[in-house]
Amino acid sequence: QVQLQESGPGLVKPSETLSLTCTVSGDSITSNKWWSWVRQPPGEGLEWIGDIFHTGSASFNPSLKSRVSISLDKSKNQFSLNLRSVTAADTAVYYCAFRVDRYYYSSGTYYPFDCWGQGNLVTVSS
Amino acid sequence: QSALTQPRSVSGSPAQSVTISCTGTSSDVGGYSYVSWYQHRPGKAPKLIIYDVSERPSGLPDRFSGSKSGNTASLTISGLQADDEADYYCCSYAGNHTVIFGGGTKLTVL
Repeated sequence: QVQLQESGPGLVKPSETLSLTCTVSGDSITSNKWWSWVRQPPGEGLEWIGDIFHTGSASFNPSLKSRVSISLDKSKNQFSLNLRSVTAADTAVYYCAFRVDRYYYSSGTYYPFDCWGQGNLVTVSS
Repeated sequence: QSALTQPRSVSGSPAQSVTISCTGTSSDVGGYSYVSWYQHRPGKAPKLIIYDVSERPSGLPDRFSGSKSGNTASLTISGLQADDEADYYCCSYAGNHTVIFGGGTKLTVL
């Protein structure tokens, strides 16, 4: 059974970079899955951030694209999120997730989020 | 890109059925068969319960069902149980390799 675990600082200062890592256990990060980040601001709904495949192919939420990068560390079986120039509006629980590549499409955005991590609360405050 | 529209809350008694709607546009829900639903209990990881409009993941009870008509997708939970009390979110492919979620619906089992 594949498990995901987010890790990273719980507090980030405004204008700095938010960095989170998701450790994958029970499967290889080079398997047929798209690795994703989703967030939930306090009291609000879910917001998709972006996905990456082990080939490096990626998709991002247009509203965040200019500030977001997602990368893979195949040696550690991890993937990471970097969100630059954060503000209080970026305060949220950040979830990592994966989508199974069922139909071999060129983008993971067609697929559901099959499995999620427990989430990591990140607060942006000075 | 606005969030898909869901009712803020629904409720039902044990053994009853409830339906949660998810309304979008022809550019998302109405244009594709890539609608999924998630159950989210506070402090827990969200859980996939429906994908591709009406498909259930392996092992999920058939009390959960999904459908779509035009720009509105629906999740129906039959035989309500206390354990079903949670927040439910819909999600749709929205074209141009993007994804959009609904605002979420709080289900209360009376």
